[in-house]
Amino acid sequence: DAEITQSPRHKITETGRQVTLACHQTWNHNNMFWYRQDLGHGLRLIHYSYGVQDTNKGEVSDGYSVSRSNTEDLPLTLESAASSQTSVYFCASSGTSGIQDTQYFGPGTRLTVL
Amino acid sequence: AQTVTQSQPEMSVQEAETVTLSCTYDTSESNYYLFWYKQPPSRQMILVIRQEAYKQQNATENRFSVNFQKAAKSFSLKISDSQLGDTAMYFCAFSDNNDMRFGAGTRLTVKP
Repeated sequence: DAEITQSPRHKITETGRQVTLACHQTWNHNNMFWYRQDLGHGLRLIHYSYGVQDTNKGEVSDGYSVSRSNTEDLPLTLESAASSQTSVYFCASSGTSGIQDTQYFGPGTRLTVL
Repeated sequence: AQTVTQSQPEMSVQEAETVTLSCTYDTSESNYYLFWYKQPPSRQMILVIRQEAYKQQNATENRFSVNFQKAAKSFSLKISDSQLGDTAMYFCAFSDNNDMRFGAGTRLTVKP
Protein backbone atom coordinates (compact mmCIF):
# COMPACT_ATOMS: atom_id res chain seq x y z
CA ASP A 1 0.00 0.00 0.00
CA ALA A 2 1.13 3.54 -0.72
CA GLU A 3 2.18 5.53 2.30
CA ILE A 4 3.95 8.61 3.55
CA THR A 5 6.56 8.23 6.27
CA GLN A 6 8.50 10.66 8.40
CA SER A 7 11.72 10.26 10.33
CA PRO A 8 12.68 10.61 13.05
CA ARG A 9 9.39 10.46 14.96
CA HIS A 10 10.92 12.29 17.92
CA LYS A 11 13.93 14.58 17.98
CA ILE A 12 15.57 16.65 20.71
CA THR A 13 18.18 19.16 19.66
CA GLU A 14 19.93 22.26 20.95
CA THR A 15 19.52 25.87 19.94
CA GLY A 16 21.69 26.78 16.96
CA ARG A 17 22.09 23.28 15.54
CA GLN A 18 21.07 22.35 12.02
CA VAL A 19 18.30 19.76 11.91
CA THR A 20 16.84 17.86 8.96
CA LEU A 21 13.48 16.10 9.07
CA ALA A 22 12.84 13.46 6.42
CA CYS A 23 9.63 12.83 4.49
CA HIS A 24 9.19 9.97 2.01
CA GLN A 25 6.07 9.10 0.04
CA THR A 26 5.24 6.17 -2.21
CA TRP A 27 2.03 7.64 -3.65
CA ASN A 28 4.01 8.93 -6.67
CA HIS A 29 2.50 12.34 -5.97
CA ASN A 30 4.07 15.42 -7.52
CA ASN A 31 2.95 17.70 -4.69
CA MET A 32 4.44 17.64 -1.22
CA PHE A 33 3.94 19.91 1.79
CA TRP A 34 5.39 20.65 5.21
CA TYR A 35 3.32 21.96 8.11
CA ARG A 36 3.88 22.70 11.74
CA GLN A 37 1.22 22.15 14.38
CA ASP A 38 1.13 24.23 17.53
CA LEU A 39 -1.54 24.36 20.18
CA GLY A 40 -4.14 26.97 19.30
CA HIS A 41 -2.92 27.42 15.73
CA GLY A 42 -3.97 24.30 13.91
CA LEU A 43 -1.55 23.52 11.08
CA ARG A 44 0.48 26.20 9.34
CA LEU A 45 2.11 25.74 5.95
CA ILE A 46 5.90 26.04 5.93
CA HIS A 47 6.99 25.09 2.40
CA TYR A 48 5.59 23.14 -0.50
CA SER A 49 6.74 21.65 -3.78
CA TYR A 50 4.86 20.92 -6.99
CA GLY A 51 7.59 18.76 -8.47
CA VAL A 52 11.31 18.04 -8.73
CA GLN A 53 13.39 21.21 -8.38
CA ASP A 54 10.29 23.24 -7.45
CA THR A 55 9.93 24.78 -3.98
CA ASN A 56 7.64 27.50 -2.63
CA LYS A 57 7.32 29.39 0.63
CA GLY A 58 4.29 29.05 2.82
CA GLU A 59 2.86 31.13 5.64
CA VAL A 60 5.69 30.47 8.15
CA SER A 61 8.81 29.77 6.06
CA ASP A 62 11.39 31.87 7.95
CA GLY A 63 14.16 29.68 9.39
CA TYR A 64 13.24 26.66 7.24
CA SER A 65 14.35 25.38 3.85
CA VAL A 66 13.44 22.48 1.56
CA SER A 67 14.89 20.95 -1.57
CA ARG A 68 13.31 18.48 -3.98
CA SER A 69 15.71 16.24 -5.88
CA ASN A 70 13.29 13.40 -6.60
CA THR A 71 9.55 12.70 -6.54
CA GLU A 72 9.53 10.65 -3.34
CA ASP A 73 11.35 12.90 -0.85
CA LEU A 74 11.04 16.41 0.56
CA PRO A 75 13.42 16.95 3.49
CA LEU A 76 12.84 19.95 5.76
CA THR A 77 15.92 21.69 7.17
CA LEU A 78 16.07 24.02 10.12
CA GLU A 79 19.24 25.99 9.43
CA SER A 80 19.80 27.12 13.03
CA ALA A 81 17.21 25.67 15.39
CA ALA A 82 15.43 28.05 17.75
CA SER A 83 13.21 27.31 20.76
CA SER A 84 10.30 28.85 18.85
CA GLN A 85 10.60 25.97 16.38
CA THR A 86 9.65 23.41 19.01
CA SER A 87 6.55 21.89 17.42
CA VAL A 88 5.05 18.86 15.74
CA TYR A 89 5.90 18.75 12.04
CA PHE A 90 3.70 17.06 9.46
CA CYS A 91 4.53 16.18 5.90
CA ALA A 92 1.79 15.64 3.32
CA SER A 93 1.42 14.85 -0.36
CA SER A 94 -1.34 15.29 -2.91
CA GLY A 95 -2.24 14.40 -6.45
CA THR A 96 -2.93 16.33 -9.64
CA SER A 97 -4.92 19.28 -8.23
CA GLY A 98 -1.99 20.55 -6.21
CA ILE A 99 -2.63 22.27 -2.92
CA GLN A 100 -6.38 22.06 -3.52
CA ASP A 101 -6.39 18.28 -3.79
CA THR A 102 -6.89 15.84 -0.94
CA GLN A 103 -3.70 15.71 1.09
CA TYR A 104 -2.33 12.51 2.64
CA PHE A 105 -0.45 13.14 5.86
CA GLY A 106 2.48 11.46 7.52
CA PRO A 107 2.49 10.48 11.22
CA GLY A 108 4.39 13.60 12.30
CA THR A 109 7.75 14.39 13.92
CA ARG A 110 7.82 15.88 17.39
CA LEU A 111 10.79 18.28 17.57
CA THR A 112 12.02 19.80 20.81
CA VAL A 113 14.64 22.56 20.72
CA LEU A 114 16.35 23.14 24.07
CA ALA B 1 -4.70 36.82 4.04
CA GLN B 2 -7.24 34.07 4.33
CA THR B 3 -8.36 33.13 7.82
CA VAL B 4 -10.29 30.14 9.14
CA THR B 5 -12.13 30.30 12.46
CA GLN B 6 -13.47 27.40 14.48
CA SER B 7 -15.34 28.89 17.41
CA GLN B 8 -15.89 25.66 19.36
CA PRO B 9 -12.63 24.45 20.97
CA GLU B 10 -14.35 21.40 22.47
CA MET B 11 -17.62 19.56 21.96
CA SER B 12 -19.16 16.33 23.14
CA VAL B 13 -22.01 14.19 21.88
CA GLN B 14 -23.71 10.99 22.93
CA GLU B 15 -23.19 7.94 20.79
CA ALA B 16 -25.80 7.67 17.98
CA GLU B 17 -26.71 11.37 18.18
CA THR B 18 -25.99 14.15 15.71
CA VAL B 19 -23.46 16.94 16.19
CA THR B 20 -22.55 19.99 14.12
CA LEU B 21 -19.11 21.60 14.10
CA SER B 22 -18.86 25.22 13.00
CA CYS B 23 -16.36 26.89 10.70
CA THR B 24 -16.20 30.33 9.16
CA TYR B 25 -13.60 31.71 6.81
CA ASP B 26 -12.60 34.97 5.26
CA THR B 27 -11.39 35.39 1.68
CA SER B 28 -11.69 37.68 -1.30
CA GLU B 29 -11.22 34.80 -3.72
CA SER B 30 -14.17 33.40 -5.68
CA ASN B 31 -12.68 30.00 -6.50
CA TYR B 32 -11.42 27.90 -3.62
CA TYR B 33 -11.80 24.60 -1.79
CA LEU B 34 -12.86 23.80 1.74
CA PHE B 35 -12.02 20.72 3.75
CA TRP B 36 -12.69 18.97 7.02
CA TYR B 37 -9.83 16.83 8.29
CA LYS B 38 -9.95 14.45 11.25
CA GLN B 39 -7.01 13.78 13.57
CA PRO B 40 -7.72 10.84 15.92
CA PRO B 41 -5.63 10.61 19.10
CA SER B 42 -2.05 9.68 18.21
CA ARG B 43 -3.00 8.92 14.65
CA GLN B 44 -2.51 10.47 11.26
CA MET B 45 -4.72 13.19 9.89
CA ILE B 46 -7.22 12.04 7.27
CA LEU B 47 -9.68 13.82 5.00
CA VAL B 48 -13.32 13.70 6.04
CA ILE B 49 -14.91 15.77 3.29
CA ARG B 50 -13.98 18.25 0.54
CA GLN B 51 -16.13 20.98 -1.01
CA GLU B 52 -15.49 23.03 -4.15
CA ALA B 53 -16.70 26.60 -3.75
CA TYR B 54 -18.26 26.81 -7.21
CA LYS B 55 -20.49 23.80 -6.48
CA GLN B 56 -23.68 24.81 -4.71
CA GLN B 57 -24.57 21.26 -3.73
CA ASN B 58 -23.35 20.34 -0.26
CA ALA B 59 -20.82 17.50 -0.14
CA THR B 60 -21.69 14.30 1.73
CA GLU B 61 -19.68 11.23 2.71
CA ASN B 62 -21.76 8.57 4.43
CA ARG B 63 -22.56 9.94 7.93
CA PHE B 64 -20.71 13.20 7.28
CA SER B 65 -22.24 16.16 5.49
CA VAL B 66 -21.55 19.86 5.21
CA ASN B 67 -23.69 22.97 5.17
CA PHE B 68 -21.86 25.33 2.81
CA GLN B 69 -23.12 28.90 2.85
CA LYS B 70 -20.88 30.78 0.41
CA ALA B 71 -22.36 34.24 0.98
CA ALA B 72 -22.02 33.88 4.74
CA LYS B 73 -18.57 32.22 4.37
CA SER B 74 -19.67 29.38 6.57
CA PHE B 75 -18.79 25.68 6.25
CA SER B 76 -20.18 23.51 9.05
CA LEU B 77 -19.76 19.75 9.42
CA LYS B 78 -22.63 17.54 10.53
CA ILE B 79 -21.90 14.08 11.89
CA SER B 80 -24.95 11.83 12.07
CA ASP B 81 -25.25 8.67 14.16
CA SER B 82 -22.04 9.51 16.04
CA GLN B 83 -19.75 6.59 16.80
CA LEU B 84 -17.02 6.18 19.42
CA GLY B 85 -14.47 6.14 16.60
CA ASP B 86 -15.46 9.68 15.67
CA THR B 87 -13.65 10.95 18.77
CA ALA B 88 -10.90 13.17 17.37
CA MET B 89 -9.72 16.68 16.62
CA TYR B 90 -11.50 18.11 13.61
CA PHE B 91 -9.86 20.79 11.51
CA CYS B 92 -11.57 23.01 9.00
CA ALA B 93 -9.29 24.14 6.15
CA PHE B 94 -9.37 26.52 3.22
CA SER B 95 -7.31 26.38 0.04
CA ASP B 96 -6.93 28.61 -2.98
CA ASN B 97 -4.30 28.34 -5.71
CA ASN B 98 -1.21 28.69 -3.56
CA ASP B 99 -2.24 28.70 0.06
CA MET B 100 -3.68 26.34 2.63
CA ARG B 101 -5.04 27.60 5.95
CA PHE B 102 -6.33 25.55 8.85
CA GLY B 103 -8.53 26.51 11.76
CA ALA B 104 -7.40 25.88 15.32
CA GLY B 105 -9.51 22.75 15.58
CA THR B 106 -12.47 21.38 17.55
CA ARG B 107 -11.92 18.49 19.93
CA LEU B 108 -14.93 16.17 19.65
CA THR B 109 -15.62 13.50 22.24
CA VAL B 110 -18.27 10.87 21.59
CA LYS B 111 -19.62 9.48 24.85
CA PRO B 112 -21.04 5.96 25.20
